[in-house]
This record gives sequence, structure tokens and C-alpha cells, in this order.
Amino acid sequence: ETGVTQTPRHLVMGMTNKKSLKCEQHLGHNAMYWYKQSAKKPLELMFVYNFKEQTENNSVPSRFSPECPNSSHLFLHLHTLQPEDSALYLCASSQGEGVTYEQYFGPGTRLTVT
Amino acid sequence: LAKTTQPISMDSYEGQEVNITCSHNNIATNDYITWYQQFPSQGPRFIIQGYKTKVTNEVASLFIPADRKSSTLSLPRVSLSDTAVYYCLVGGSARQLTFGSGTQLTVLP
Repeated sequence: ETGVTQTPRHLVMGMTNKKSLKCEQHLGHNAMYWYKQSAKKPLELMFVYNFKEQTENNSVPSRFSPECPNSSHLFLHLHTLQPEDSALYLCASSQGEGVTYEQYFGPGTRLTVT
Repeated sequence: LAKTTQPISMDSYEGQEVNITCSHNNIATNDYITWYQQFPSQGPRFIIQGYKTKVTNEVASLFIPADRKSSTLSLPRVSLSDTAVYYCLVGGSARQLTFGSGTQLTVLP
């Protein structure tokens, strides 16, 4: 238990569906992250939020839309996804965005796009 | 961004000390070296971080030579539960930390 929870843990969706992934951290952290981990590929940083403001969008397609309503919650809204978007989506948080702040990861959401 | 190179896989036996070396020839002055561990279908977990010389915590040691172009993660007396992927990351901010392919460590009985 890292203090970062993600729901749902598993999600199957069609290419025309709209769904959202939720991340919540109970650590009082100010920075939150979305990562994507595809099969046999390294983790890719998608978005970074610091004090609710987006500070990084790593050239992510617009079919992925993040939302950070407060420092404890982070959402990833999904629409018209492609089968290649099937992956493990990981949320993380840290006290700050500085490199010396340890990132705490959630268990991930396993997404399958059919 | 500093690129890292580490072995794809390593095997060890229970009770042995394991050393995983990471090369980062173009490390910048303000970059730190951070190691994470990941088990299948779980998020990575922070192990240790350092800037220079040696850092030790309750689970590992990190050795960094004076030129900082490489680093070695040392795991003392590994057990079966240490079987995981180990990532070496180098960067000066959280946004710069790039997870590479990592090193798959397999601990054998």
C-alpha cells in the first residue's frame, strides 16, 4: 500500500467509448503524474501536474485528456481510443516536482481497448 | 537528457550480493541518479537515490565514482522476493526521469 489508489484496476472499452481513470493520493503531495506502460516497452511519462497546474504534456494524443481538480485527485479521460492504447496506466505522486522527491506509484489500471 | 545503459537481465542465487551497473556517460552537473524496482503488474517503487560517492539505506547501497559516468546498485543477500525489474534513472527534475528497459533480476533458489 503506497498511499496512491487507482480505480478501476481493470477496464475493457471499445474504441467508441468514453471512460475515465481515477487516481487519489493520501500523502499530502503536490505533484501528480500519469505514466503509460505498454507490453515490452518502458514506462512513458504522459502528464505532470504540480499544485493542480499541468507542467508537462509529453506529446500525448488528444484522445487522452487529464484533469486535476485538486492536489489529491487526478483523472485521465479517455475517448475514441485505439487498440494500441491498451496498456497499464500508472499514476504517481511526489511531494514536489524536484528530482529529489521520491515518486509513489499506484497499482495501475490495466486498460484493454477492443 | 542523460541516456542510461544497464544490462537487460541478471541471474543470482539466494543469499548472494547483487551488483547492477548503470552507465550514464552524458550525465549533467545537476542530475541525480535514482533507482526504482518494479514487480509484474505493479507500479515501480523507489529504492535509492544519490548524487556522488556512496549512499546506503536499509535495502540497498548506491556507489557513484568521482566522474559520475556510471553507478552501481548493490543489493545485499538477495532473496526470491527480490526478483523484479530494476530501473536506473538520471535527471535533474521529475520530468527528466526516463524509465528505460531496466534490468530483469532473477533470484534462483
